[in-house]
Amino acid sequence: TQLLEQSPQFLSIQEGENLTVYCNSSSVFSSLQWYRQEPGEGPVLLVTVVTGGEVKKLKRLTFQFGDARKDSSLHITAAQPGDTGLYLCAGFKAAGNKLTFGGGTRVLVKP
Amino acid sequence: GAVVSQHPSRVICKSGTSVKIECRSLDFQATTMFWYRQFPKQSLMLMATSNEGSKATYEQGVEKDKFLINHASLTLSTLTVTSAHPEDSSFYICSAKPQGARGYTFGSGTRLTVV
Repeated sequence: TQLLEQSPQFLSIQEGENLTVYCNSSSVFSSLQWYRQEPGEGPVLLVTVVTGGEVKKLKRLTFQFGDARKDSSLHITAAQPGDTGLYLCAGFKAAGNKLTFGGGTRVLVKP
Repeated sequence: GAVVSQHPSRVICKSGTSVKIECRSLDFQATTMFWYRQFPKQSLMLMATSNEGSKATYEQGVEKDKFLINHASLTLSTLTVTSAHPEDSSFYICSAKPQGARGYTFGSGTRLTVV
C-alpha cells in the first residue's frame, strides 16, 4: 500500500479539455510537491505547497493543498498536447528528511 | 537553476559485472543525495539516502551489498550495482535539494540494461 495514493492512474483527454489529478494520504506532510516527468528523463519540479488550504497557480495549472495537509490536487485548464507526461505528487516529512512519491498519473492529451 | 548531472544516461552490461553510476551537483553542494529506482510505467521508489562522509541509509528491502553507495565529496555520489542480473535492469535516478530550495532537483536518469 502506497503512502500517497494518486488517482486516476491514467487519463486520456482531448486538447482543450480540463483535467484534475488527486493525491491523497492518511499522513500529514510538511510539504507536498508536484513533479512532471517525460519518458527517459528525471522528474522536474512544478510546485511546492506548504500551508494547509494553499492554492498556487502556474499558468494553466492550479495546485491545491488540503486544509489538513494530507491531500492535494492538480487541475489543468484547457489542456494542450505539451501537457502530456507523468505527473507525480511527493510528500515531504521533515522528520525523515525524505520524499515519498505517489504512484503517478499518466496524462495523454490528444490534439 | 540548480543542476544535477547523472552519468551515464544509458548502459548495457553483462550479467555478473558491476556498473557505476555517477551523480553530481553542478552548482551547489549536497551533503545528502537520494537514489531512486523506477520500473516502466511506475513511480519512483527510494532506494537509499547517500550521506557525505558517512554510510548511506538504505530503504527496507534494498541490499546494501548489492547497491554500493559512495558519497566522498559534497558534489558527487556514486551508485555501483554489483554482480548485476537482468532483474536489476531499470531506470535509476538521483536527486538532491539545494539549501533553501522548495523542491528537489533530479538527474536525468540512467537506463541500465543487464543482458
